[in-house]
Amino acid sequence: ELKVEQNPLFLSMQEGKNYTIYCNYSTTSDRLYWYRQDPGKSLESLFVLLSNGAVKQEGRLMASLDTKARLSTLHITAAVHDLSATYFCAEETSGSRLTFGEGTQLTVNP
Amino acid sequence: GAGVSQSPRYKVAKRGQDVALRCDPISGHVSLFWYQQALGQGPEFLTYFQNEAQLDKSGLPSDRFFAERPEGSVSTLKIQRTQQEDSAVYLCASSWTGSYGYTFGSGTRLTVV
Repeated sequence: ELKVEQNPLFLSMQEGKNYTIYCNYSTTSDRLYWYRQDPGKSLESLFVLLSNGAVKQEGRLMASLDTKARLSTLHITAAVHDLSATYFCAEETSGSRLTFGEGTQLTVNP
Repeated sequence: GAGVSQSPRYKVAKRGQDVALRCDPISGHVSLFWYQQALGQGPEFLTYFQNEAQLDKSGLPSDRFFAERPEGSVSTLKIQRTQQEDSAVYLCASSWTGSYGYTFGSGTRLTVV
């Protein structure tokens, strides 16, 4: 069974702190996606990771992919309130369908 | 269009009523997907089209769910005899074939009362 597990599911952090969200997936897929979702909104694409060792950075967010360990991480550096949202990872499987994790609800407190 | 457009934005249906949800993908996008997102959960795959062909419908939860894309552009997801457990946000996504990256619409929030 395809399974994507994220942890933590809930994360409350202070502004200025660093933290990492972990995403474990179950297949040998080489494509891993990270999305952001604000309450009541749709999914905003953050990163597409295409190969082992891929690292991408945008602002305070950095994502990496280890296909051998079937692990992706989303690292948050010096968090700010605007980063508060739910973050999903998703693996792309055969037929182009995405299997999503449960999401990590991030709250950044002043 | 500039993005994936879904309508209606909100739909309240009485239990047992039929509903139809519309998705207008980005012009030229060959692939189209439907996902169901229950409250507090990640989206779950329902079905996938390439042009007008429905290549995968393995995620449709029951035979009350039916999707079509007759001309390879606009798609409609139909739910017959709605039940309370059908209450969710229904998301549509589209992409180019052979590329990576998907654009999601804003979704339709269905509430069955």
